[in-house]
Amino acid sequence: DAGVTQSPTHLIKTRGQHVTLRCSPISGHKSVSWYQQVLGQGPQFIFQYYEKEERGRGNFPDRFSARQFPNYSSELNVNALLLGDSALYLCASSRTTDKTSGYEQYFGPGTRLTVT
Amino acid sequence: KQEVTQIPAALSVPEGENLVLNCSFTDSAIYNLQWFRQDPGKGLTSLLLIQSSQREQTSGRLNASLDKSSGRSTLYIAASQPGDSATYLCAVKGVTGGGNKLTFGTGTQLKVEL
Repeated sequence: DAGVTQSPTHLIKTRGQHVTLRCSPISGHKSVSWYQQVLGQGPQFIFQYYEKEERGRGNFPDRFSARQFPNYSSELNVNALLLGDSALYLCASSRTTDKTSGYEQYFGPGTRLTVT
Repeated sequence: KQEVTQIPAALSVPEGENLVLNCSFTDSAIYNLQWFRQDPGKGLTSLLLIQSSQREQTSGRLNASLDKSSGRSTLYIAASQPGDSATYLCAVKGVTGGGNKLTFGTGTQLKVEL
């Protein structure tokens, strides 16, 4: 079975531009989460979606938005890019969002975004 | 607010050595703790998941323990190999907060030398 896939793998944008990152979860997984990882730091939670609804949001500005489609794939959008948005953006999928569940989360290879 | 700390930040050992990586968290109200491996510039590979009701999990040369009441977890790697060189991250899924949110530590960068 294919793992979590993300596209594109690398992206270079200019300050002020907009970017869309895409993620396809593992087959059968209905929950997708997005994380930002700045060099040398651990990943920081941005959003979680389950069944097309937002189920969690981290401490990120409104320039960051996301959505989930009926096939459970997801897009992360970032508007008005800043230099500080340069990071590895990771997508994670899991079967459910049941808070009591012990389901593992599986991460994709990430999208490396560079803002110049 | 949950905070996760990993010690040491970096570690260099000779091949064959047994080693322990440490992870501590400030809020013991967690559902589970997960250990990940990250190679440079790559995504995260899940190594072990420990439920809050469990004390340890094992996979091959890896053994992870959890002491929820004291807010600590350790990852034990036996007979280390150069291929184990990577950054190891621990993450907790807390009772409070939204959905599937994981809170990560900053990682331990491991180098296993020949």
